[in-house]
Amino acid sequence: DAGVTQSPTHLIKTRGQQVTLRCSPKSGHDTVCWYQQALGQGPQFIFQYYEEEERQRGNFPDRFSGHQFPNYSSELNVNALLLGDSALYLCASSKRQVNTGELFFGEGSRLTVL
Amino acid sequence: AQSVAQPEDQVNVAEGNPLTVKCTYSVSGNPYLFWYVQYPNRGLQFLLKYITGDNLVKGSYGFEAEFNKSQTSFHLKKPSALVSDSALYFCAVSLISSGSARQLTFGSGTQLTVLP
Repeated sequence: DAGVTQSPTHLIKTRGQQVTLRCSPKSGHDTVCWYQQALGQGPQFIFQYYEEEERQRGNFPDRFSGHQFPNYSSELNVNALLLGDSALYLCASSKRQVNTGELFFGEGSRLTVL
Repeated sequence: AQSVAQPEDQVNVAEGNPLTVKCTYSVSGNPYLFWYVQYPNRGLQFLLKYITGDNLVKGSYGFEAEFNKSQTSFHLKKPSALVSDSALYFCAVSLISSGSARQLTFGSGTQLTVLP
């Protein structure tokens, strides 16, 4: 049973560029959340998707956008990259009807912005 | 707004000794509380959660946590530490309300080092 898979694992971009990160949820899961973990800090909630719509959003600017596909996989897009966007981006999945907050995390995509 | 404080950046303990990693929280309403562990260059792994009921929660790998409502604390404990327990531990909180339970607020993390 595959867990949460994310791609790419590492990438380097320059300021002003755009990036797309991808996530496949654990089998049987239909809800995806994205978190940003800066170096030395705890993860911060970006947004949550289910039924192909953004349902909740944390305190992140509109440069951060996402998408969920009919197969429940998801993308995180970040436009106009800033140096401060350098972080580990974590995808987490769960079953919508199990609303207890227990999340299954992927290993993350480490983004470096130069 | 909800918040989590992990007052210790680093905890060192000898193998075989009991360990405690501290966490306090602030939330308006009834909380869900969690502990996650992160190994180097890996994502987070769920350890345990408190939703309601018994204040002592047992989780994976012999870990447990005690919920104290009056002190708004949720400390992680283990009776006998192993070198393999060395990792970064995060406490997290979310609200018991529809749709928001997955919006976890994490603490800044505590690096646990178990010395052989």
